[in-house]
Amino acid sequence: GAVVSQHPSWVICKSGTSVKIECRSLDFQATTMFWYRQFPKQSLMLMATSNEGSKATYEQGVEKDKFLINHASLTLSTLTVTSAHPEDSSFYICSAIVAKNIQYFGAGTRLSVL
Amino acid sequence: GEDVEQSLFLSVREGDSSVINCTYTDSSSTYLYWYKQEPGAGLQLLTYIFSNMDMKQDQRLTVLLNKKDKHLSLRIADTQTGDSAIYFCAEVDSSYKLIFGSGTRLLVRP
Repeated sequence: GAVVSQHPSWVICKSGTSVKIECRSLDFQATTMFWYRQFPKQSLMLMATSNEGSKATYEQGVEKDKFLINHASLTLSTLTVTSAHPEDSSFYICSAIVAKNIQYFGAGTRLSVL
Repeated sequence: GEDVEQSLFLSVREGDSSVINCTYTDSSSTYLYWYKQEPGAGLQLLTYIFSNMDMKQDQRLTVLLNKKDKHLSLRIADTQTGDSAIYFCAEVDSSYKLIFGSGTRLLVRP
């Protein structure tokens, strides 16, 4: 099946630094990708919709200046957590629309901010 | 708005069948999904069902859809210890956004 690759799988950073997470569609083109955040033992919370060649659409309550999304090609979307703080520590997961109404997910990135 | 609800926990004995239930509110959802998440991993698409279907079977997995009651279930036959995970039910809205339930943690006892 379709593969969505997410990198890195785990990152530890100091408070105040920025962290970039990549989401790649390996064997298909994805004009739309999604970024989610998941807290321990909770469900996924949609952060934003990433559209190739245009600005991302953010969900209510998600700071666009804090979570920068770039979708410059049909196979890559990036999420940059700017000036990360301990409260940004979480599990971040991306997904890509493979076909109409079918989404595949990356393996997730665990972010720990010290 | 749309809402998807699941029971939080299910424990079964190895070899038994597991049934995970889900209710949803958006009757216009064209597809409904079941995803599996193992610890520290992303979500794996297990199966999905089109809204005009009542049932879909795929090897050990059987999905039942009661559109009138907005009830979806996932039955896992001959449950194995490797099936222990969190199972998420999801519906899709008109913007292709997935709306997830809270997840059901399945524990398979040897």
